[in-house]
Amino acid sequence: EVQLVESGGGLVQPGGSLRLSCTASGFTFSNFEMNWVRQSPGQGLEWISNITVSGSSTLYAASVKGRFTISRDNAKNSLFLQMNDLRAEDTALYYCASGRHCINGKCNKAAYFQKWGPGTLVIVSS
Amino acid sequence: DIQMTQSPSTLSASVGDRVTITCRASQNIRNWLAWYQQKPGKAPEVLIYEASSLESGVPSRFSGTGYGTEFTLTISSLDPDDCATYYCQQYDDYPWTFGQGTKVEIK
Repeated sequence: EVQLVESGGGLVQPGGSLRLSCTASGFTFSNFEMNWVRQSPGQGLEWISNITVSGSSTLYAASVKGRFTISRDNAKNSLFLQMNDLRAEDTALYYCASGRHCINGKCNKAAYFQKWGPGTLVIVSS
Repeated sequence: DIQMTQSPSTLSASVGDRVTITCRASQNIRNWLAWYQQKPGKAPEVLIYEASSLESGVPSRFSGTGYGTEFTLTISSLDPDDCATYYCQQYDDYPWTFGQGTKVEIK
């Protein structure tokens, strides 16, 4: 069974840091680009970061660029999001989600989010 | 950034009704569009990708059409299980962006 499970959320003060993790199982993690998508309470969905299969290239939404860092460990089937300088507006449910499928350095165009975890809640508040 | 605009924001329909949700992109995204269903307290699930391809395991009452800037998601016969919020998402260009969502309720 394909599974993504996030962890590491919690309550943090403004200006603080938090590291989210996502553990994958049931599929070949190292063949998929991975993403973080967040959803503020009662609001819509916002893509925030992407990482290539090797981890050599990353992308960020403007709202988190310079504060958040995405990384992965293919040997441990894990995805991470280091979040620094957290703000109240970062309060959200954070999902990890799969992206493009890549084989031998070639990726398909299917950059939609096929697999999702249940999410981990981050609350930024004093 | 590419803006995705969905309409309506909320719709109420009866079981068995045909339901259509529209998504407009602020620029040409070809067919790089996905539709997701999100039920309360759950993660989104993909229904449609590449504008019209049905994801494996998704009931055939869901269908998608469109190209360029205008897209539709249709539920051919509304089922009580379809109560959810539906989102479109473009993946033609970074940053990938979502529509604001359409909440579907049963009358």
